Amino acid sequence: ETGVTQTPRHLVMGMTNKKSLKCEQHLGHNAMYWYKQSAKKPLELMFVYNFKEQTENNSVPSRFSPECPNSSHLFLHLHTLQPEDSALYLCASSPGTLAGGETQYFGPGTRLLVL
Amino acid sequence: KQEVTQIPAALSVPEGENLVLNCSFTDSAIYNLQWFRQDPGKGLTSLLLIQSSQREQTSGRLNASLDKSSGRSTLYIAASQPGDSATYLCAVGASGSARQLTFGSGTQLTVLP
Repeated sequence: ETGVTQTPRHLVMGMTNKKSLKCEQHLGHNAMYWYKQSAKKPLELMFVYNFKEQTENNSVPSRFSPECPNSSHLFLHLHTLQPEDSALYLCASSPGTLAGGETQYFGPGTRLLVL
Repeated sequence: KQEVTQIPAALSVPEGENLVLNCSFTDSAIYNLQWFRQDPGKGLTSLLLIQSSQREQTSGRLNASLDKSSGRSTLYIAASQPGDSATYLCAVGASGSARQLTFGSGTQLTVLP
């Protein structure tokens, strides 16, 4: 595996379900990100982790819970979601240097449908 | 709050044409600007990254320019090909929080054979 991988690629869940999205990067990076892409809206940054520490949380509802056990893996735990949470969830990584501003590398995304 | 606008929202051109995609942003205090490509149902592929101190970057048939003072960037695609058909996204990295990217809504490009 190379680059940034995400599983599952597609997920359908009911509002009472609990599921998790997984992201893995094979680039030796130290920063990882979750983005949400809804239809007809720009990508929205959700969370940023740098060296396993959460550095950004863009007012995301608590029904989304991120976890970063190490620099290579990032999870997004989902529970009691709403239909409006249906979207493409994208994971990205970057080198994570102190200077920042480096290129982000994206995974293929998980297409989530909440019924 | 930074806002990024991309015009046009959609563009259709015949193969071989040169074209320009536009991106504008409201806060000129940026750290960098990136252009991405997104194919349907796929993730994003980084095309070009311009640091705030730079005026342009080139990669193959692509050239991106940055005018910070006017809050504008353009992506120039030379000799377009059907394989260039995709959505092109502009993203601005904020100063002070360089990992926070603000994205535009994208331009959906179709290159007709």
